[in-house]
Amino acid sequence: DVKVTQSSRYLVKRTGEKVFLECVQDMDHENMFWYRQDPGLGLRLIYFSYDVKMKEKGDIPEGYSVSREKKERFSLILESASTNQTSMYLCASSLYRGGQPQHFGDGTRLSIL
Amino acid sequence: AQSVTQLDSHVSVSEGTPVLLRCNYSSSYSPSLFWYVQHPNKGLQLLLKYTSAATLVKGINGFEAEFKKSETSFHLTKPSAHMSDAAEYFCVVSDPPAAGNKLTFGGGTRVLVKP
Repeated sequence: DVKVTQSSRYLVKRTGEKVFLECVQDMDHENMFWYRQDPGLGLRLIYFSYDVKMKEKGDIPEGYSVSREKKERFSLILESASTNQTSMYLCASSLYRGGQPQHFGDGTRLSIL
Repeated sequence: AQSVTQLDSHVSVSEGTPVLLRCNYSSSYSPSLFWYVQHPNKGLQLLLKYTSAATLVKGINGFEAEFKKSETSFHLTKPSAHMSDAAEYFCVVSDPPAAGNKLTFGGGTRVLVKP
């Protein structure tokens, strides 16, 4: 079974802090994705990557950056956390081939105070 | 452009009765379609996928979905609901690799199972 592991289930940070969310997958997937999920807004794509050191902006990249130095690890960075970034963050991975599902981690519930 | 519409935001069923979750899609490509389930404070778990093979797709936990191209629908069913089926369900369409394998999500259907 594919396993996508997010480093923290719950995280509390302060406004202005630099925040790192880590995601690791164990199935040698090329693609990795970061989403945030908010009530009434559904899942929104922040960034994705289809190869090491490659990154593409999703629908809501402002205030975020990403890093993919190794194939199995994809980090989401909040450069200067703000209260409107309080959310559930979900990481996913998939094979590059067509028709492949994304496999999700359990999520990190981030609160910015 | 792709889009997914889940026709019911909430569905309430009694334990042991059938479940029907409705989904319509619009896609510029030959679609890859998925159903995911999300239990409270958890990530999304894949229930089943359609990728242009058989139109009736069987998934985990007794769920199945039927792809109907003429109706652009991909409805999810289960013959007999269990209390553990209470969760939120997402119908999803996938871009092909050349477009980044990105997913387009429906708005979700929250299922309540009454004893």
